[in-house]
Amino acid sequence: NAGVTQTPKFRILKIGQSMTLQCTQDMNHNYMYWYRQDPGMGLKLIYYSVGAGITDKGEVPNGYNVSRSTTEDFPLRLELAAPSQTSVYFCASSYSRTGLNYGYTFGSGTRLTVV
Amino acid sequence: GDSVTQMEGPVTLSEEAFLTINCTYTATGYPSLFWYVQYPGEGLQLLLKATKADDKGSNKGFEATYRKETTSFHLEKGSVQVSDSAVYFCALSESGGYNKLIFGAGTRLAVHP
Repeated sequence: NAGVTQTPKFRILKIGQSMTLQCTQDMNHNYMYWYRQDPGMGLKLIYYSVGAGITDKGEVPNGYNVSRSTTEDFPLRLELAAPSQTSVYFCASSYSRTGLNYGYTFGSGTRLTVV
Repeated sequence: GDSVTQMEGPVTLSEEAFLTINCTYTATGYPSLFWYVQYPGEGLQLLLKATKADDKGSNKGFEATYRKETTSFHLEKGSVQVSDSAVYFCALSESGGYNKLIFGAGTRLAVHP
């Protein structure tokens, strides 16, 4: 199994540009998430999805958008990139049954620099 | 709101030393608790978890016990190896919260031969 696949691994954007970070999982997980990790900080939740067609904001959603048209894919869109969005972005998925959290599977991350 | 506090790092140990990384939490309900590990250049991996009070999670020689009375979930290992060098994150997930995780800031562990 590939697990959670993120692309690209690295990207440099100029201020004001836009881009989409791709995330695909092949485990048929119902829940998917986007987190950002800033140096010396824990991960902060940007957006999450509990199933195809259902998304909601996390702790730090400003400047981002998401969609979930299929169970497998959960792309993150950055509009009008700003230096404050320089970070490492992680996509994750999880499976929940009977309310129990079985833990996440993380992608390997996308390192984004906005200059 | 819910939060997780970890001891600041870096923690520097010699091989075969005993490891403790402290983690305390604040939560309104009955969360599940997790430890994740991040090796250099990689994503986070689930190390262990506990879903209710007094549960002990264990994996690869690491252990942590869910202590409701002290709201703690300290990570321990009896004898660390150089290969344990990584960043360790404590996290919680509220029941009914769509498995959303709240992370601590992470603790970097460096183990020297």
